[in-house]
Amino acid sequence: EAQVTQNPRYLITVTGKKLTVTCSQNMNHEYMSWYRQDPGLGLRQIYYSMNVEVTDKGDVPEGYKVSRKEKRNFPLILESPSPNQTSLYFCASSLFQGRPYEQYFGPGTRLTVT
Amino acid sequence: QKEVEQNSGPLSVPEGAIASLNCTYSDRGSQSFFWYRQYSGKSPELIMFIYSNGDKEDGRFTAQLNKASQYVSLLIRDSQPSDSATYLCAVNIRNDYKLSFGAGTTVTVRA
Repeated sequence: EAQVTQNPRYLITVTGKKLTVTCSQNMNHEYMSWYRQDPGLGLRQIYYSMNVEVTDKGDVPEGYKVSRKEKRNFPLILESPSPNQTSLYFCASSLFQGRPYEQYFGPGTRLTVT
Repeated sequence: QKEVEQNSGPLSVPEGAIASLNCTYSDRGSQSFFWYRQYSGKSPELIMFIYSNGDKEDGRFTAQLNKASQYVSLLIRDSQPSDSATYLCAVNIRNDYKLSFGAGTTVTVRA
């Protein structure tokens, strides 16, 4: 089954404790992306990657890191989480031929930072 | 000015009616346009994509793109209670690989 998986689905942590949210896709997609969704603000892109070892900032990259060492995986790293990073996070993937095509989303990770 | 703006809603329509959703974007050179549906507590799922001016129909859904006026719309014909959701417009901005989303329009279909 074609899918994007994220782990964990729910996470409660404390300020400053490093964490990683994993994302994996089995569709051989080149393009992968992380979004956060907050009430009234919609989906905002954090980072995206056009292929292995190629990443770039989205609209809200501050406080986040990513890496793309393998085509299927695109982890999101919060080195020192803060309460304003409490949000619902989505990973997505798509084909990429000069531009991203229709995105397929993972189930989401609800993060609470206290 | 936001890159992608949607009518804020909420939009309430009776069952069987047409729901009309609008989205405007700021960059005239934008290339790709997507509509996603998101049920409460779920992830967005793609409904339609459109790349060229004009209409594109898929079942009860029609996407309309007008690049000169910089808007893209989604029509839902014969609305059903199962169409009650938030609809997100997304645009790929020219010369960029980012995707920008609107804040979404919540639709409620009254039985």
